[in-house]
Amino acid sequence: DAGVIQSPRHEVTEMGQEVTLRCKPISGHNSLFWYRQTMMRGLELLIYFNNNVPIDDSGMPEDRFSAKMPNASFSTLKIQPSEPRDSAVYFCASRRDLGTEAFFGQGTRLTVV
Amino acid sequence: GEDVEQSLFLSVREGDSSVINCTYTDSSSTYLYWYKQEPGAGLQLLTYIFSNMDMKQDQRLTVLLNKKDKHLSLRIADTQTGDSAIYFCAENGNDYKLSFGAGTTVTVRA
Repeated sequence: DAGVIQSPRHEVTEMGQEVTLRCKPISGHNSLFWYRQTMMRGLELLIYFNNNVPIDDSGMPEDRFSAKMPNASFSTLKIQPSEPRDSAVYFCASRRDLGTEAFFGQGTRLTVV
Repeated sequence: GEDVEQSLFLSVREGDSSVINCTYTDSSSTYLYWYKQEPGAGLQLLTYIFSNMDMKQDQRLTVLLNKKDKHLSLRIADTQTGDSAIYFCAENGNDYKLSFGAGTTVTVRA
């Protein structure tokens, strides 16, 4: 398996634009997580899904952020409109079952200017 | 994350032992993890411990768990330059949530 695949690896966008980050989890994994990493806040859990259903989105910072998982092999994290303070590395992770190892993607480095 | 706390920086001399500490809040946590992040990469699992264990040893790594105090530590014996990275503690609650600490940046000096 190729592991968790995130795209794009880097994204530079202007303030106010819509940004969509994509994630393909490992086949057979039931849980998917979106994290944001910044120097100031470390690694924050934004939202996680189990069997494609969002379980907890309390980490999503504002209504400008939304995430979907239309099927077991794809998830998106959308920011609309984007702001400079959204600049961070966004990670997607997946795992097979509760308690098992979570595998991380390489991350998307987002820069909003 | 606010549920898991760890110190931010650790500097250690090559060949010495490193000890990274972590505290967590969810008493129902079933698994506790240590992940390693190298520059420009995602996180990779180093080791984990089940909540009914006190200690786990894996080559140069020793994990100690004090469930009463909700304290977890990672000891790296004979620290090498390749051990320089950010180390994350994580807890797994019963509701599938996987929460990480802010990460401890370990710098190994010659």
